[in-house]
This record gives sequence, C-alpha cells and structure tokens, in this order.
Amino acid sequence: ETGVTQTPRHLVMGMTNKKSLKCEQHLGHNAMYWYKQSAKKPLELMFVYSLEERVENNSVPSRFSPECPNSSHLFLHLHTLQPEDSALYLCASSQAASGDYEQYFGPGTRLTVT
Amino acid sequence: SQQGEEDPQALSIQEGENATMNCSYKTSINNLQWYRQNSGRGLVHLILIRSNEREKHSGRLRVTLDTSKKSSSLLITASRAADTASYFCATDAWGGADGLTFGKGTHLIIQP
Repeated sequence: ETGVTQTPRHLVMGMTNKKSLKCEQHLGHNAMYWYKQSAKKPLELMFVYSLEERVENNSVPSRFSPECPNSSHLFLHLHTLQPEDSALYLCASSQAASGDYEQYFGPGTRLTVT
Repeated sequence: SQQGEEDPQALSIQEGENATMNCSYKTSINNLQWYRQNSGRGLVHLILIRSNEREKHSGRLRVTLDTSKKSSSLLITASRAADTASYFCATDAWGGADGLTFGKGTHLIIQP
C-alpha cells in the first residue's frame, strides 16, 4: 500500500531483552524517520536520517539505538526497555528530510514491554 | 515541541453528512499537511497546502489555510463509513529541516 514495510508487526519483550525493529522503503526516498505513538499523546518524532546520516535526535533515551545502513533500510535496536516504552512504533520515509515533502508511513510495530 | 492542535478531539456524524475538523498552530510555517490513520495502522498522507495557498481540494476533501489566524480546516464531504479514522494535521517550522510535528488528532466516527 505505502511502499514502506515494517517487521515485526507485533513484539512482546521483557525489560531485559534485546530486540530490533526493521523498516524498509521501496520508494527511492532519501530520508527516513522513527516515530513513537502512545495512547492519547501526539506522534513523537524520535530520529531522522537523511542520506544515511542522523540529523535529528529528539532527546530519546539511549535504550533506543537507531541504525541506517543504507537509504532503504532503517533499524531501531531496543535494549533494557521500560513498560512505558510500550507503544506503536512507526517508520516513515520522504523524498528529503524536510517538512516540504509528504511522508509515507509503514504499518507500524506494536511493542509491548512486560 | 507540539505545533498542531486539532479540534474536536472526537466527532461522530451520520453517513452522508459533512465532517469538519480544525487545526491550530503556533509558529510560522512553510506548509501544513493532513494525514489519516485507521485504527492501529500507519498514517496515510491526504493533502499538503503551502503557506501561500488558501484552499485546496482533493476528491471529497477540502482544506483551507488561514495563516493570519494560524489555523487550517479539513472538510470531508458526503462522508462514508470508510472515512472512520483519526485525522492529524502536521506542520513544519519555517526553515526547519527536521520533518513534521503532529497534533493529537481528531477521531472521526461515521455512523452507518
């Protein structure tokens, strides 16, 4: 539907686990984003990558570690998470890292931290 | 920092009626975008309106922008059950290179 895929779609992990979320875009875009969506809170921008370089880090805790090996792939590595990190994690891409361009979103990964 | 604020937070109307949602923002913008999200899914881009535009149409959607009032509205005409979703406005800060800032959204329910 959107050209942006995310895996896994659902993830349950304990606080001591290490897991990774994967995002792939097939749109030839140069910018990719991670967002966190919690209940009753606005969508929170976590990381922005432009041409594989990180350009934005909105004071996200270090237990979240992004990786962008190339312009088509984006990972979010998770370790020692807290229950309040349970949320829908959305990946998006756009032609460039600018608000002038529409963003294409993946379906999200529903994360539950137990 | 949060930029867009949609109202109402929730709206329930009958199928066939028109739905209007509003968005207010605080700082100068280059453009404003509207997105739709079906329950627990990713967002889908609906329309982008630039700061020098006042109105834009796309199918049953009509978006207006009033930069003097720092507000925008999204009108969905002849609503359908499939329009049930959450709708978000998103803005970029003038000269900003960090993407978009989203509001909390309006949850729209279309009653059949």
